[in-house]
Amino acid sequence: AQTVTQSQPEMSVQEAETVTLSCTYDTSESDYYLFWYKQPPSRQMILVIRQEAYKQQNATENRFSVNFQKAAKSFSLKISDSQLGDAAMYFCAYRSSQTGANSKLTFGKGITLSVRP
Amino acid sequence: KAGVTQTPRYLIKTRGQQVTLSCSPISGHRSVSWYQQTPGQGLQFLFEYFSETQRNKGNFPGRFSGRQFSNSRSEMNVSTLELGDSALYLCASSLGIQATTGELFFGEGSRLTVL
Repeated sequence: AQTVTQSQPEMSVQEAETVTLSCTYDTSESDYYLFWYKQPPSRQMILVIRQEAYKQQNATENRFSVNFQKAAKSFSLKISDSQLGDAAMYFCAYRSSQTGANSKLTFGKGITLSVRP
Repeated sequence: KAGVTQTPRYLIKTRGQQVTLSCSPISGHRSVSWYQQTPGQGLQFLFEYFSETQRNKGNFPGRFSGRQFSNSRSEMNVSTLELGDSALYLCASSLGIQATTGELFFGEGSRLTVL
């Protein structure tokens, strides 16, 4: 079974600074997908960024980028130029690429990010 | 396009009762999955429905069940409620097409409190 570990329960960053959220996972599969989801206090989870394991290039979405280290099974999220609206709980998630596992995500415990003005 | 709609948003039940939660997916999405979120266990996958068929199931007791209707709307039911069932229940919809990254779109959740 796959597992996702987010070892830091909380982090804080100064507005306009850069912060990196860590995530490690364990799997015996070679092909899979990794995601970072954001859950603001209003509770609706939204996708921040995704990474396909077969792609060596790290995904980037505006101020958000990942550092995907497949051999180390590490998938960290970097948020540049942090904004007050980035304050939320962030979840790292894994999804198998195998048939029948389409919507089954395995989530980490999450990390609460606060942004100091 | 309307997002994922979950009802009710909040509800309080007592032990032994049953509860039904509803989820309307984004128009055109055929897959609906359910997750339970608690402070202690985090987010755990309950089940996924696609075209009215359960396609995947998490490790939950049989008291947790679901179904999907022909319009893709889904319901989940929890019978004989226990205190530990208190949680935020999240519904997510997606196109459900295999071999895609399958981005999930989440609703705001139904907050269940069991007394």
